[in-house]
Amino acid sequence: GDSVTQMEGPVTLSEEAFLTINCTYTATGYPSLFWYVQYPGEGLQLLLKATKADDKGSNKGFEATYRKETTSFHLEKGSVQVSDSAVYFCALSDRSGGGADGLTFGKGTHLIIQP
Amino acid sequence: NAGVTQTPKFQVLKTGQSMTLQCAQDMNHNSMYWYRQDPGMGLRLIYYSASEGTTDKGEVPNGYNVSRLNKREFSLRLESAAPSQTSVYFCASRRDRVQETQYFGPGTRLLVL
Repeated sequence: GDSVTQMEGPVTLSEEAFLTINCTYTATGYPSLFWYVQYPGEGLQLLLKATKADDKGSNKGFEATYRKETTSFHLEKGSVQVSDSAVYFCALSDRSGGGADGLTFGKGTHLIIQP
Repeated sequence: NAGVTQTPKFQVLKTGQSMTLQCAQDMNHNSMYWYRQDPGMGLRLIYYSASEGTTDKGEVPNGYNVSRLNKREFSLRLESAAPSQTSVYFCASRRDRVQETQYFGPGTRLLVL
């Protein structure tokens, strides 16, 4: 079945540091890929997405590129802020039509940004 | 436009008690979902409803039932709560398989003693 693997945290960085959170996936078809962010005590919010190979999703300074050859969708940001502290989830949506109609999530990466 | 709303926000149950978690969306979405979130496990799909009148099991359906009451509302019922069902429950919705982005509610934190 489908699966998503992402680096587990916590990941602790200083403000203005460069961020990379790795995400790799396995899927039977050609999935769409997502990054969701969860701030403390809140639900998940879509951060960015990509629907086909070589697409780049971007939002709020975050970027991720859909790499079919390496089955990866790594999240990057050039200069993080304290307000970026949250849990980040990589997820996929399998459009092959088989299996459950829902998102498959990674376990989440807790990011802590120190001033 | 409230998006996806969930009630209650927090609930404490004793083992064996029953309860229903409520979810509603005002975005005219066809598909709705229930997930549970546990530490170190990410989110796992419990049940989903691809369209009004249909429901299907997800990855972890045991101990739960669902009802798609109408296009707006999708409830999750625990008939006999167990400590293993202590979790945070999230409802989500999306327009359809073409528009894949799911929108999440704020969650219900459930503690079963």
